[in-house]
Order: sequence, then structure tokens, then C-alpha cells
Amino acid sequence: SQQGEEDPQALSIQEGENATMNCSYKTSINNLQWYRQNSGRGLVHLILIRSNEREKHSGRLRVTLDTSKKSSSLLITASRAADTASYFCATVYTGANSKLTFGKGITLSVRP
Amino acid sequence: GAVVSQHPSWVICKSGTSVKIECRSLDFQATTMFWYRQFPKQSLMLMATSNEGSKATYEQGVEKDKFLINHASLTLSTLTVTSAHPEDSSFYICSATPFQGLGYEQYFGPGTRLTVT
Repeated sequence: SQQGEEDPQALSIQEGENATMNCSYKTSINNLQWYRQNSGRGLVHLILIRSNEREKHSGRLRVTLDTSKKSSSLLITASRAADTASYFCATVYTGANSKLTFGKGITLSVRP
Repeated sequence: GAVVSQHPSWVICKSGTSVKIECRSLDFQATTMFWYRQFPKQSLMLMATSNEGSKATYEQGVEKDKFLINHASLTLSTLTVTSAHPEDSSFYICSATPFQGLGYEQYFGPGTRLTVT
């Protein structure tokens, strides 16, 4: 069964605004990863945050992890139309080797 | 680096026939490859995990005799959908990781859209 649950399910913002997406999970994890998927394409890995980390940055991306609340957030700053895509959080739960469990995804639309 | 290709990108086949999808890691050796399926506007569901030279590990509810997985080399895994039916129509995505151990990122192929008529 899916472990990650993102919210909101859909998000529409204006170019230049920040986009915040949240993910919650249910059991103990080794790490949490965020991926982007453009329509009809494969997934692109964005960022990985380990269970002993609280925050990570990569370019315009900022990811936080709160293991006490079993939640993570992905912040995209200064959004661009090209950021329009579906975003998935995926967890590697403890004992699962490299197996990823994906959430349902968030559809982000950035209006030019 | 870390490019994964899939072939074909799309395929249409008749009900009852078999279809083979290839997944290749182009610039790294993949110790582990994963196969997912994705229905429209839904998430990815892991079908199976394959390690080079050993039998694939299938997720609960996935028929191993219907979805044959072969991981014959460190750069190639194949998924064969046998006796395909319209309900097998889906987007199939593979991923690969060069890493051993826990929870490293996976590199995904572009996906194969299968339509069974």
C-alpha cells in the first residue's frame, strides 16, 4: 500500500510565487525522496533527505523533514512555468532495502 | 550521467499476445532494477525488484507468471507481459540504481505506454 500522502493534491500558482507541497507518511523511514514527473514521462529525482537530516537545499528547492510528525515539505521558490509537473514524495522505510513507496502525487500548475 | 532508457516508448498489441519491454542503464551498472506501473493520474505502483543474476522479487498481488522479469546483465532488465489483456494497458516505468545498500535515489526510464486492444 502507498505510504506517502501528499497535500494539496493540486496546486495552481502564478509564476514567481513560491510553491509548498507537503507529504506525510506512516512508519519509520530510512530516507524520503522527492521526484518530479512531466506529463507522460518518467520521473526525475529532485532531492533525498535522510531520517537524521532536518533540512536540505538544492537550487530553488528546499526540503524539510520532521520525523516526529512523520512529514516532509517541498518548497519551490520563484516558480517558473517549466516547474509545471506532478510531484511525488517517496519513502524508503526501515528494512526495505532501496524499495520506494510513492505517494499519490501533487499536480502543480504554474501560470505564466 | 545516470541515464536509463526504455524501449519501446509505446506499443499497441492485440489481446492474447506477449510484449517485451527493455530497460537499460546507459552509463552505469545497475545492481538493482525496479519495475512500476502507473495508471492515468495515479501514483506509481511497484511491481517487482530485480537483481542481476537472480530471480525477481514480486510485490503482493503481481502475477509472476504474467509479468516475466529477466535481469540478465548489469545494464539490462526486461519485462515481458504475457498473454496481454486490455486491463494490462498502462504506463510501465523502470528504474535502476547503481548503489548497494539502503535507500539511494533511483534513476527512472522515460516509460513505456502499453495499449492492449
